Amino acid sequence: AQSVTQLGSHVSVSEGALVLLRCNYSSSVPPYLFWYVQYPNQGLQLLLKYTTGATLVKGINGFEAEFKKSETSFHLTKPSAHMSDAAEYFCAVSGSLASNTGNQFYFGTGTSLTVIP
Amino acid sequence: ETGVTQSPTHLIKTRGQQVTLRCSSQSGHNTVSWYQQALGQGPQFIFQYYREEENGRGNFPPRFSGLQFPNYSSELNVNALELDDSALYLCASSSARGALAQYFGPGTRLTVL
Repeated sequence: AQSVTQLGSHVSVSEGALVLLRCNYSSSVPPYLFWYVQYPNQGLQLLLKYTTGATLVKGINGFEAEFKKSETSFHLTKPSAHMSDAAEYFCAVSGSLASNTGNQFYFGTGTSLTVIP
Repeated sequence: ETGVTQSPTHLIKTRGQQVTLRCSSQSGHNTVSWYQQALGQGPQFIFQYYREEENGRGNFPPRFSGLQFPNYSSELNVNALELDDSALYLCASSSARGALAQYFGPGTRLTVL
């Protein structure tokens, strides 16, 4: 079974500071991992995904994440926070449906990022 | 390329009523998944439709049902609404049922009074 734990429901950083959002996963198979961002009153936008290959994944808006199998982690980072980064961030792991013919996402409970000017 | 659209944006219903939410998938996508996002929570998988058939279901009761049409648009129907059904309902489309990338619409905010 797959599951995701996001440590820290709220994170505050100063503008220009490092952003670090934590995600740990549990998966019985090699995981496919994702980070999504959700702005107020909007749907989810894909930031980046890890499937296979390089463990450091670069996404949009300067975000990146590193898959660490030994730590079962997929933390999201950005070197310098911008005011526009303030949003809700969700980590997700993809799992097969019971039919094995499709995929569903298992989401964490989200981390709300506040950027302080 | 048109993205995923959902209607209506907001909806208010009373307990016991029925509701239908609609989703138009992204151009070229034949698979639609529905998720329920309660306030302060991550989205929870409801079910997935592929080529007009249900392809998998999460832990939701039968009063949550769906349809997918030949143009791959989809409906989510919820009968006998309960207060706990109040949530943001998200539709996501993908190019195939096994595709890893799912593209989400803006959601429908349902309030049950």
